[in-house]
Amino acid sequence: DAGVIQSPRHEVTEMGQEVTLRCKPISGHDYLFWYRQTMMRGLELLIYFNNNVPIDDSGMPEDRFSAKMPNASFSTLKIQPSEPRDSAVYFCASSPPAGRSSYNEQFFGPGTRLTVL
Amino acid sequence: TQLLEQSPQFLSIQEGENLTVYCNSSSVFSSLQWYRQEPGEGPVLLVTVVTGGEVKKLKRLTFQFGDARKDSSLHITAAQPGDTGLYLCAGDRAGTASKLTFGTGTRLQVTL
Repeated sequence: DAGVIQSPRHEVTEMGQEVTLRCKPISGHDYLFWYRQTMMRGLELLIYFNNNVPIDDSGMPEDRFSAKMPNASFSTLKIQPSEPRDSAVYFCASSPPAGRSSYNEQFFGPGTRLTVL
Repeated sequence: TQLLEQSPQFLSIQEGENLTVYCNSSSVFSSLQWYRQEPGEGPVLLVTVVTGGEVKKLKRLTFQFGDARKDSSLHITAAQPGDTGLYLCAGDRAGTASKLTFGTGTRLQVTL
């Protein structure tokens, strides 16, 4: 089975531009997580979904960030407008239903490295 | 406030040496996971420990969960260059609905 798929792998954009990151979770997983990783702050949870519904978005830094999950196999994280301080690696992870995994183990994608100039 | 503190933050050792990484918290966790992340990739799950005092072995890696389920350690015997990477612990707190709390990370470099 394919793992979590993210695109693009690298994104370089200019300040003020809109950025859209994409994620396809593992088939059958009903939890999807978006994280941001930087050297200074480590791995931070931004938002997560269960059965396509946002459960906790308390980690979203500000209104410039938004995330959607229109169906079980696709999610997007959008930054509009982007700023240089948004530069980071963004990870998507998925997790199987609670009945299949008792310990909330997560499977990560390869990440999108975002650079905002 | 960082709920899971890892130490050391950085570790550079030579092949063949032993090392221990610590993951500490004041909170109790239902379970604790260890992940390894290699450059340019996402974290990959190594192990999950769930019982206080539990010890799990994965080849040269030994994982232990504290008796009170507030801390954990990872011991690597005879480290190899392939062990190089970022090691992250992650705790599952009861009542947090599938959300994991990740540690601050330990960056390990093993040289020949």
